This record gives sequence, C-alpha cells and structure tokens, in this order.
Amino acid sequence: NAGVTQTPKFQVLKTGQSMTLQCAQDMNHEYMSWYRQDPGMGLRLIHYSVGAGITDQGEVPNGYNVSRSTTEDFPLRLLSAAPSQTSVYFCASAGRAGSQSGANVLTFGAGSRLTVL
Amino acid sequence: DAKTTQPPSMDCAEGRAANLPCNHSTISGNEYVYWYRQIHSQGPQYIIHGLKNNETNEMASLIITEDRKSSTLILPHATLRDTAVYYCIAYTGTASKLTFGTGTRLQVTL
Repeated sequence: NAGVTQTPKFQVLKTGQSMTLQCAQDMNHEYMSWYRQDPGMGLRLIHYSVGAGITDQGEVPNGYNVSRSTTEDFPLRLLSAAPSQTSVYFCASAGRAGSQSGANVLTFGAGSRLTVL
Repeated sequence: DAKTTQPPSMDCAEGRAANLPCNHSTISGNEYVYWYRQIHSQGPQYIIHGLKNNETNEMASLIITEDRKSSTLILPHATLRDTAVYYCIAYTGTASKLTFGTGTRLQVTL
C-alpha cells in the first residue's frame, strides 16, 4: 500500500514547454485533488475530482488541465509553462467517509517541485 | 465549507503544551473540524478531527467549544519535531472543494 505517489519529484522546464505531473493512489479513493504551494504560502487548490470522469475547478485553475479516466490516477497537465507556475505541487486523495467516523481524511503525496525558467 | 481563521504564528517551549486556536464561526451542523500539519516542505499530514465532542489520539487533543464556533488543537508535550505549519479546515463527511488557509506556523524552542 504505497498511498499517494507523485512523479516526478523535481522538474525544470523552459517557458512554453508542456508537461504532466502524475499522481496515483492505491487506496481506491474517490476524491483526488491538486494543490500548489508557493514559498512561504499556504496550499491553493487547483483542480479536484470526486470520482472517475468528474473534475472541477479549484481556486487557481488557469494554466492547468486535469482528467480522471480511472479511480487511481489524476494527472495534472501544464500546456504552456510560465515562470508563475514555479511551485511545489501536492496531490491528495480521500475515500468515502466511514459510517463510524462520518468523516474523510486527506492523504497527501510527497510533492513535485517544478521550476519554470 | 466553513471559513477558518488562525493566528499566523505561535511559539512554544519544548516540553510545554502547545495550544493552537482556530475560529470557524460559520461552521454548519454537518461539518467536521480537521487539523493537518506540514513539516518543512513535506506533504501535509492528518492529525485529528471532530464534530462536536472533544477528541484525543496519540498525536493530539481537539477541544471544540459547545457552540462549535471555535476549536483548539493541543499538543500536550511539544517537541522540536512538532515545529510545523498547522492547518485547521472544516468540511462535511464528503470531501469536495477543500481549501486550506495559511495556517499557524508553530515554532517549538529549547
């Protein structure tokens, strides 16, 4: 049980290049999301998904695309990277609330550090 | 999801209790209070959550006021390893558009 796996851990891009940050979870979680964190700042929600085939925008979606073709994977695509997208990106997932706890807990990946020159 | 407000920073001496407050005055009846922490640049880690009763686990205690408008996370014997940013968020039992504030940066000192 690996939890939430993000790849790559580090990436350097040139302005205008495209790339995909991968996120996979093996916990059969329905909810997955992407956050970005700029230096000294909190987490900002980019996109999220409540299940396969369903995605929606978060607080800062511009410049990013997502898709959810399977329960396990939630890739984040940068179509034309910009220096403003230099950040650390975190993927998170959460399963359906258990009947006893009635609540959901987010499990985060280790992060992907992206630098756009 | 209810908006939460936390102080930007706090200090605590090692071995003492760290009490981190969170205001969530607009919380609705079916929203839980969750606490997470982020050490350095690692991914945030779940600590504890509660609905209206006080909760305790091996990491911390959570005290929720009777009107549920605020809560306090208590680290009973803070250590240097507890230095982190602590986030308080409120949401229902179904994860949806979960947003984090800027949290409280706790500095534990000798």
